[in-house]
Amino acid sequence: EAGVAQSPRYKIIEKRQSVAFWCNPISGHATLYWYQQILGQGPKLLIQFQNNGVVDDSQLPKDRFSAERLKGVDSTLKIQPAKLEDSAVYLCASSLVGGGGEAFFGQGTRLTVV
Amino acid sequence: RKEVEQDPGPFNVPEGATVAFNCTYSNSASQSFFWYRQDCRKEPKLLMSVYSSGNEDGRFTAQLNRASQYISLLIRDSKLSDSATYLCVVNRSNDYKLSFGAGTTVTVRA
Repeated sequence: EAGVAQSPRYKIIEKRQSVAFWCNPISGHATLYWYQQILGQGPKLLIQFQNNGVVDDSQLPKDRFSAERLKGVDSTLKIQPAKLEDSAVYLCASSLVGGGGEAFFGQGTRLTVV
Repeated sequence: RKEVEQDPGPFNVPEGATVAFNCTYSNSASQSFFWYRQDCRKEPKLLMSVYSSGNEDGRFTAQLNRASQYISLLIRDSKLSDSATYLCVVNRSNDYKLSFGAGTTVTVRA
């Protein structure tokens, strides 16, 4: 069974530039999460989708971050413009039962803002 | 107050030792509980779910205390391969939000 796919694996950009990350969840998983993990910290939820609807985006910095999940499958997360403090690993995860079951993570995108 | 708080560690133990650490959660409506393991520069992976009656999986034992709102993980007969960060995860019952603790780092030395 294919896992959660994310791309790119690594990205280096200058502050004030834009960047986009892509996630393809496991087939049939209705729930998709985007987490931000800063070095030495636990993952912090940015946004949670149930199919193509947003369940929770309370911690998404909406002045610069946006996310969409077209047709309830793939998802993209965008940062525009990036700040130095956005340097982190961005993890995408999906689950079958929306939290009651196991969440499967992609390998993440390591973003460095210089 | 953070939704999920963990013993920060690090716990540095010899092979064969027993190590245990806790996690507390603030939302009494939390319904499901998990321990995830994260190796250095890797993604988190489910280690085990935590059930109300407590549960074991080999050398790992998880306990849940709803009254005091804490979860524990105990590792017996530690192996070098147990070295990792252990993340406590709780799930809200109304919207299935998964909230992670900051992690407890365990290092098992030879």
